[in-house]
Amino acid sequence: IAGITQAPTSQILAAGRRMTLRCTQDMRHNAMYWYRQDLGLGLRLIHYSNTAGTTGKGEVPDGYSVSRANTDDFPLTLASAVPSQTSVYFCASSELTSGGAEEQFFGPGTRLTVL
Amino acid sequence: GQNIDQPTEMTATEGAIVQINCTYQTSGFNGLFWYQQHAGEAPTFLSYNVLDGLEEKGRFSSFLSRSKGYSYLLLKELQMKDSASYLCAAMDSNYQLIWGAGTKLIIKP
Repeated sequence: IAGITQAPTSQILAAGRRMTLRCTQDMRHNAMYWYRQDLGLGLRLIHYSNTAGTTGKGEVPDGYSVSRANTDDFPLTLASAVPSQTSVYFCASSELTSGGAEEQFFGPGTRLTVL
Repeated sequence: GQNIDQPTEMTATEGAIVQINCTYQTSGFNGLFWYQQHAGEAPTFLSYNVLDGLEEKGRFSSFLSRSKGYSYLLLKELQMKDSASYLCAAMDSNYQLIWGAGTKLIIKP
C-alpha cells in the first residue's frame, strides 16, 4: 500500500441499505477525514478523527458514522442510505501536531449512487 | 459564518499566465492551501501560505494577504496538462479546512 486506499471504487446501492466505505492509510498520520464532493459545491467534511480512538462531527454528519479503532483505518458507514447521499466520497489524512496541521493527502475516492 | 469564494471557471491560452483569486472568511486562520484536481481524480496539494507574501514553486506561485482575506494562485507557462480544477481551502482555528467550490481552468491551444 502506498498512501491512502479506498474501497470500493464505485457502488450502486438501493435506498435503505447499509453501506461501509473503507479507508486505509500507511503514512502513520494521526488525523483522518471523510469528505463528500458534489457538483458545484466545495468538499464538505462529514467526520474527522484527530487520533486513534477519537472522532468528531464535521459540517454534514447526519446519516453517517465513523470509527477509528487504530491509526491506519477509518471506515465510514451509512446506516440507511438515501438518494441525497449520492456523491463522491474522499478519505484524507494529515499529520496534526501542536504546531498545526500539515497538508492533507487524499485517497482516490468512492463514487456512490443511491437509488 | 465561514466562506470561501473563487471564480467558477476561467479560460486561458497555452503558454500564457493565469491568476486564480480566492477570498476567505473563517473563524480563526491557520493558513491557506491550494489543491489541484483533475477530472475524476483526487485533489493533490499544490501550496500552503500562512504568512503574507508570495511563495514560488516552479511554474506555480501562491500569494496571501491576511489583512484582506485574499489569496491567489499564479500559473505560468501554461501547459495543456494544467487543465483541471483548482481548489482554495482555508484552515480555521480548529485546524479544519474550509473549501471553496473550485475554479475549473480550461486551457486552449
